[in-house]
Amino acid sequence: DADVTQTPRNRITKTGKRIMLECSQTKGHDRMYWYRQDPGLGLRLIYYSFDVKDINKGEISDGYSVSRQAQAKFSLSLESAIPNQTALYFCATSPGGPGNEKLFFGSGTQLSVL
Amino acid sequence: RKEVEQDPGPFNVPEGATVAFNCTYSNSASQSFFWYRQDCRKEPKLLMSVYSSGNEDGRFTAQLNRASQYISLLIRDSKLSDSATYLCVVNFNKFYFGSGTKLNVKP
Repeated sequence: DADVTQTPRNRITKTGKRIMLECSQTKGHDRMYWYRQDPGLGLRLIYYSFDVKDINKGEISDGYSVSRQAQAKFSLSLESAIPNQTALYFCATSPGGPGNEKLFFGSGTQLSVL
Repeated sequence: RKEVEQDPGPFNVPEGATVAFNCTYSNSASQSFFWYRQDCRKEPKLLMSVYSSGNEDGRFTAQLNRASQYISLLIRDSKLSDSATYLCVVNFNKFYFGSGTKLNVKP
């Protein structure tokens, strides 16, 4: 079983629809992240959370919101999807702390907004 | 200016070749450094952390030069299975990713 699980793996939706991408982890890590990846641009941080009561914006948070329902769950919502949100989305976790900054990724969600 | 910059490649090399990638970062206070490997449309996976003293893992050697703010990855005796995109990652409170260097190892 994957340690970091993302659902769905693929999603096609229409402009204006509300979409939720879900992420759950069994690694027991406090830190969770949402990234999007576009060809040639690398991974860009959308939101991150260092514990259940902590939510922080990343570099491209406009048009997105998140919810940290529990230590193990971190969901990403697109309130009104638009075509330029078509991308590959990754959830990641990290144990955090000095010497523990490694990231562990889910398998990704390919989102297409038509 | 991007926080982390890499040559996008592609680097096309024959099997058995030695290939090196470099990466530069802009924040001199960056704390941790990594190389990740990403196969097409898959999640990035940690290849190795990078330390100032340099570190080696089999055919892979990573180096960090803090004075010049660059990180390198050397792959010796390239295998077909090394074909992938290699991401340079720098941590300063958050993780900053380079856009990746694509490697194609040819038979």
